[in-house]
Amino acid sequence: NAGVTQTPKFRVLKTGQSMTLLCAQDMNHEYMYWYRQDPGMGLRLIHYSVGEGTTAKGEVPDGYNVSRLKKQNFLLGLESAAPSQTSVYFCASSTADTQYFGPGTRLTVL
Amino acid sequence: GQSLEQPSEVTAVEGAIVQINCTYQTSGFYGLSWYQQHDGGAPTFLSYNALDGLEETGRFSSFLSRSDSYGYLLLQELQMKDSASYFCAVRSPDRGSTLGRLYFGRGTQLTVWP
Repeated sequence: NAGVTQTPKFRVLKTGQSMTLLCAQDMNHEYMYWYRQDPGMGLRLIHYSVGEGTTAKGEVPDGYNVSRLKKQNFLLGLESAAPSQTSVYFCASSTADTQYFGPGTRLTVL
Repeated sequence: GQSLEQPSEVTAVEGAIVQINCTYQTSGFYGLSWYQQHDGGAPTFLSYNALDGLEETGRFSSFLSRSDSYGYLLLQELQMKDSASYFCAVRSPDRGSTLGRLYFGRGTQLTVWP
């Protein structure tokens, strides 16, 4: 039981490049989330999904897109990366009371 | 809007007791959670309080007062490995989700000295 996994663990992009972050969970959770964490800040919700084929905007959705084609996977896309998107990205899936986080992806945009 | 306040830093020595407070202002409230995050690691769930009172789990306890919009995390018999950031998070209604969603505080950095 791997829990929540994320790929890649690290990535460096140039401004304007695109990329996709992959999140996978094997706990059969309906709910999945993408957060970003910046120094001195808590976790801020980017997008979330309440089930396969559904997505919704969170607190800071601009510049990101998501897809949930399969229940176990939640993809976060950056179409045209900007330096302001340099951050650590965490994926999570949840039961009613508990969110389970992946190990994170450290993204640097130059 | 939502706002959560918690101290940015707390220090204590091994074996001591420390309390990390969290006050919140939210439109709608389901419960208060606490998460622990070690440097470079992922947040991990510690506790969830939906009702007033104290919940105890081993060395950690969490308290909630809904009328005061206040909660705290109590860590007893501190160990070096407890050095980490601790985040309070409020679960509030969200029209897109029957579970609501979490709003996180900025975190409290706990340093435990030998």
